[in-house]
Amino acid sequence: DTGVSQNPRHKITKRGQNVTFRCDPISEHNRLYWYRQTLGQGPEFLTYFQNEAQLEKSRLLSDRFSAERPKGSFSTLEIQRTEQGDSAMYLCASGNRDRGNQPQHFGDGTRLSIL
Amino acid sequence: AQTVTQSQPEMSVQEAETVTLSCTYDTSESDYYLFWYKQPPSRQMILVIRQEAYKQQNATENRFSVNFQKAAKSFSLKISDSQLGDAAMYFCAYRSARGALINQGGKLIFGQGTELSVKP
Repeated sequence: DTGVSQNPRHKITKRGQNVTFRCDPISEHNRLYWYRQTLGQGPEFLTYFQNEAQLEKSRLLSDRFSAERPKGSFSTLEIQRTEQGDSAMYLCASGNRDRGNQPQHFGDGTRLSIL
Repeated sequence: AQTVTQSQPEMSVQEAETVTLSCTYDTSESDYYLFWYKQPPSRQMILVIRQEAYKQQNATENRFSVNFQKAAKSFSLKISDSQLGDAAMYFCAYRSARGALINQGGKLIFGQGTELSVKP
């Protein structure tokens, strides 16, 4: 179990730029989740994948956000035309279907700062 | 929609003492799972303890135990013999049992968190 890996750990960019984050889940996990966490708050669900299919998206995921999981393994989260309000920690988690009481395993997160 | 509320933004405990963190939730579902996660500063979120709603017995993991009151929709975490390493942000989280279904997802719904400090 190598754990969930997220890259980069930190990203600083100017407002209006595009950014892309990567998440590598635990290899045997078929579900992958993205959450956003702002300072002093709990994580909020953004979207999730079952294998390569994106099956649920939160209302928080505006049309500037897009997520992919092309081969059912790693996933990318892209934010276009970044805004100040996008500054947050973006967390990735992975887990298995049909094991509802099993925990989702979280990565270290990518902290995004918009200048 | 389900919600999770943690009404204690900050808590403090003396080393070796016991502390209880509160969590309430709102749901119309009868089958679900509850979790407590720990997030140390600048570190990964890790699971502390889990509880299945259909189980009446409260979950226990070493120094950590829960008081699960289904009717009251309350799920508190008790930390016994507190250690300096317990200092962290603690999040209560809810997950629908329907998450096993492909179109439900099994996403976690988190509370706002409680920051626990441990005094030596």
